[in-house]
Amino acid sequence: AQTVTQSQPEMSVQEAETVTLSCTYDTSESDYYLFWYKQPPSRQMILVIRQEAYKQQNATENRFSVNFQKAAKSFSLKISDSQLGDAAMYFCAYRSADGLTFGKGTHLIIQP
Amino acid sequence: EAGVTQFPSHSVIEKGQTVTLRCDPISGHDNLYWYRRVMGKEIKFLLHFVKESKQDESGMPNNRFLAERTGGTYSTLKVQPAELEDSGVYFCASSPWAGGTEAFFGQGTRLTVV
Repeated sequence: AQTVTQSQPEMSVQEAETVTLSCTYDTSESDYYLFWYKQPPSRQMILVIRQEAYKQQNATENRFSVNFQKAAKSFSLKISDSQLGDAAMYFCAYRSADGLTFGKGTHLIIQP
Repeated sequence: EAGVTQFPSHSVIEKGQTVTLRCDPISGHDNLYWYRRVMGKEIKFLLHFVKESKQDESGMPNNRFLAERTGGTYSTLKVQPAELEDSGVYFCASSPWAGGTEAFFGQGTRLTVV
């Protein structure tokens, strides 16, 4: 069974600074997908970024980028130029054919 | 295009009562998933529908939970009778096919059992 671990229950960053959220996972599969989801106070889960395991290049979406280390089974999220609207719970997720396995989440606080 | 919608957004019921949660997936999405997040804990998978069939219901906690997806469209999740530990946020997600595509989430239903 897959497991996803987010070791940081809470992170705080100054507005305009950069923050990295960590995520590790455990799987015996070689082909899979990884996601970062964001859940702001409105509660809607929003996809932030996606990474296909077969791609070596790290995914990037504007201010969001990942550091995907397949051998180490690590999938961290970097948020550059943090904005107040980035404040939310961030969930790392592993995708198999059966569905998503989530980490426990990291609560990101943006300090103005 | 409408996203995944869930109803109600919030429900407060007494222990022993019955509650039915509804999820309307994105039109055309064969895959529908139910997840639950109990306060402060990780999001747990409950079950997965492919059209009207239950593909995987290994995450359903016990037989007080019943999920249906009549006609392969919307889905309901009924809790009967509700217990205190059932409190949490229930998320529904849909995707066009299983595998690597992202799952689109609804806004969740916050269930409080008192």
